[in-house]
Amino acid sequence: GQQLNQSPQSMFIQEGEDVSMNCTSSSIFNTWLWYKQDPGEGPVLLIALYKAGELTSNGRLTAQFGITRKDSFLNISASIPSDVGIYFCAGRGGSNYKLTFGKGTLLTVNP
Amino acid sequence: EAQVTQNPRYLITVTGKKLTVTCSQNMNHEYMSWYRQDPGLGLRQIYYSMNVEVTDKGDVPEGYKVSRKEKRNFPLILESPSPNQTSLYFCASRLFSGGLDEQYFGPGTRLTVT
Repeated sequence: GQQLNQSPQSMFIQEGEDVSMNCTSSSIFNTWLWYKQDPGEGPVLLIALYKAGELTSNGRLTAQFGITRKDSFLNISASIPSDVGIYFCAGRGGSNYKLTFGKGTLLTVNP
Repeated sequence: EAQVTQNPRYLITVTGKKLTVTCSQNMNHEYMSWYRQDPGLGLRQIYYSMNVEVTDKGDVPEGYKVSRKEKRNFPLILESPSPNQTSLYFCASRLFSGGLDEQYFGPGTRLTVT
């Protein structure tokens, strides 16, 4: 089946720094979704991407659909303490409806 | 407000005692799913439903049942819970039309089976 590798697994940064994380698929995807999850809460949809090369922003967050259609990137600019959480990517490929999820990137921001 | 609601949020029960976790969405989505989330294993799909009366198994369906009698509701049933079903459960509702594909999660139900 489809596999998603998300990296890094965790990041420790200082407030104000920029953050980058990425997901790589073993096959071509048609949709990429990025989520943030706070401890004990449900994942919250941040950005949805539908076309290769697409670049979409949501406030300080920017995500890109890789041109190979096998990867996606999420950048957070000027991080703040409330950015702490786990960031997940999810993707859908082929003609089926199934979403495949990455294992998440745990982000810690030191004030 | 568009949302997915789950109840209860927390549940402690004993082995073998049937339980139901309710899920409801107010976005008129056709596609709904249940996931469980475990440390190191990520999100795994239990069951999904593509519309009323249409349900199918996900990746880890053993020990679970679902029903979809109305579009807005998608309850998860554990007929005889066991300790290995202790987990954090999420219901999700998905918009999949008009070129859009967006899945929204509920707040989660933390289940402990002793």
